[in-house]
This record gives sequence, structure tokens and C-alpha cells, in this order.
Amino acid sequence: ETGVTQTPRHLVMGMTNKKSLKCEQHLGHNAMYWYKQSAKKPLELMFVYNFKEQTENNSVPSRFSPECPNSSHLFLHLHTLQPEDSALYLCASSPLGGINTGELFFGEGSRLTVL
Amino acid sequence: GENVEQHPSTLSVQEGDSAVIKCTYSDSASNYFPWYKQELGKGPQLIIDIRSNVGEKKDQRIAVTLNKTAKHFSLHITETQPEDSAVYFCAASIGSGAGSYQLTFGKGTKLSVIP
Repeated sequence: ETGVTQTPRHLVMGMTNKKSLKCEQHLGHNAMYWYKQSAKKPLELMFVYNFKEQTENNSVPSRFSPECPNSSHLFLHLHTLQPEDSALYLCASSPLGGINTGELFFGEGSRLTVL
Repeated sequence: GENVEQHPSTLSVQEGDSAVIKCTYSDSASNYFPWYKQELGKGPQLIIDIRSNVGEKKDQRIAVTLNKTAKHFSLHITETQPEDSAVYFCAASIGSGAGSYQLTFGKGTKLSVIP
């Protein structure tokens, strides 16, 4: 148990569906991240939020829409996805400020399959 | 931007032998180098990290070495055990200390420890 919970763990959706991934952290951290993990590729940073403000959008297509209503919750809204978007989507959190050691705390991921 | 190369992509060792995974990075400004372990069905978890002001760091059976001149760093696991079987990722970042770390990951090494 890392203190970062992702739901759902598995999601299958059609290309015209709209769905959302949810992440919640119980660690009191103020930075949250979305990463995409595809087979045989490095983990790709998608979005970063510091104190609920988006600080990084790594050229992610607009069919992925993040939302961070507070420092404990992070969503990834999905619509009109492509089969190549099938991957494991990982949420992570980290503290900010003097206690920040650089360590990321990852959830177990949401396995997305786009048909 | 930063580019991290990781080798080998797969590694099989006999239980009790040592395992070495190597990474190179491109940005000489990078100063923080973590290693993550990802077990099947779980998110990556930090196992050890090193900063650019240190050449080597050890934690029980795990050690990391850093050569800033050559821009490469390595993970060494001694006396391997079956529970060491996992995918290992190296990463590099310019750590700000206070802000969020933008990690660039390698593609990963799947380590199999054969009993």
C-alpha cells in the first residue's frame, strides 16, 4: 500500500466513449502526476500539478483532459481515444518544499484498453 | 531535453549471483538519479537514488554508482534472490529541491532471478 489509490484498475472503452480515471493520495503531498506506461517504452510524463495548478503538459493530445480539484485528487478524463492510447496509466504524488527528496509515490495504475 | 538509455532490456541471473544494470544520460545539468523497481501488477517503487555530489551509495544488497564525467550510472544487486525479479527503471532529473522533479526514465530492465 503506497498511499496512492487509482480507480478503476482496468478499463475497456470504445473509441467514442467518455470515461475518467481517478487518483487519490493519502500522503499529504502537494504535487501530483500522470504518467503513461506503454510496452517497450519509457514511462512518459503527461501532466504535473503543483498545489492544484497545472505546471506541465507534456504535449499531450487534447483527448486527454486532466483535472485536479484539490491536492489529494487527480482525474484524467478520456474521450475519443485511439487504440494506440491503450496503456497503463500511472498516477504519482510527491511532497513539495523542504521535505521533497525527489521520490515519487506511484499508484498501481489503471490498465486502459481502447477498442 | 534529457535522454536516458538503459541496458540490458532483459537480464537473467542465477540466484546468489550479482546483477548489473547500466544507464547513460545526456543532460550534464541532471543531478538526481533514482532507481525504481516495478513488480508485476504494481506501480514503480523507489529502491535507491544518488545525487551528483556523491559517487557511490549502498543500501544492503543494492548499490548505485555515478560517473558524472562519462554521464553514466549503474545499479548493482548482489546475492540476488527470487524476490528481486522485477522490472527496474533508471531515471534522471534536474532536482530543484523544492519544486516537483521532472524525471526522464529509461525503458526498463526485466530482471529474472532463477532459483
